Amino acid sequence: GAGVSQSPSNKVTEKGKDVELRCDPISGHTALYWYRQSLGQGLEFLIYFQGNSAPDKSGLPSDRFSAERTGGSVSTLTIQRTQQEDSAVYLCASSRQRGDSYEQYFGPGTRLTVT
Amino acid sequence: AQSVSQHNHHVILSEAASLELGCNYSYGGTVNLFWYVQYPGQHLQLLLKYFSGDPLVKGIKGFEAEFIKSKFSFNLRKPSVQWSDTAEYFCAVNEGYGGSQGNLIFGKGTKLSVKP
Repeated sequence: GAGVSQSPSNKVTEKGKDVELRCDPISGHTALYWYRQSLGQGLEFLIYFQGNSAPDKSGLPSDRFSAERTGGSVSTLTIQRTQQEDSAVYLCASSRQRGDSYEQYFGPGTRLTVT
Repeated sequence: AQSVSQHNHHVILSEAASLELGCNYSYGGTVNLFWYVQYPGQHLQLLLKYFSGDPLVKGIKGFEAEFIKSKFSFNLRKPSVQWSDTAEYFCAVNEGYGGSQGNLIFGKGTKLSVKP
């Protein structure tokens, strides 16, 4: 079946602009996770959703980052007033349910470059 | 806070050599342990996982890992690597209780280059 998809695959933006990154999870998966992969920092957890709710936003690096999920499906990660340190690959993963015992399936990522 | 350490940044081996990649974690509670692999140009995929039971777990493509609780380690092994194993390998943990949100804490990864 279809896996996790993300769009765009690449995004180049100027410093100070806003960007939106999209994630389409596997159909029926209720849990959705966002991670960031950057040089020197490795893979960092950003936020997760159970359904449309995001109980813990403490992983978001600054208040310029926000995320939402609608209809228990598609999620959007928005970065306002982008900075060069936001350059990274943003990964989305989904799993059947929230929790430790469910495998997370990763999408191909969105490579964000802030110039 | 939990953390995961992968001690080898880049490993270079010849085909048929044996592989062991180190992974240590710091967390006092129950954890689940994972190894993910990212082949060039592809997305992260699960290689193997440990939740409970036999501490020696077998994954895809001939990989295995051993959980040693006393050492907080979960090293990845393969007896004989192939050129197609060239990839980046990530060790990860999450909290192993039913109420956890399940987010993964990753190590910084080990790049494996296998020479033909």
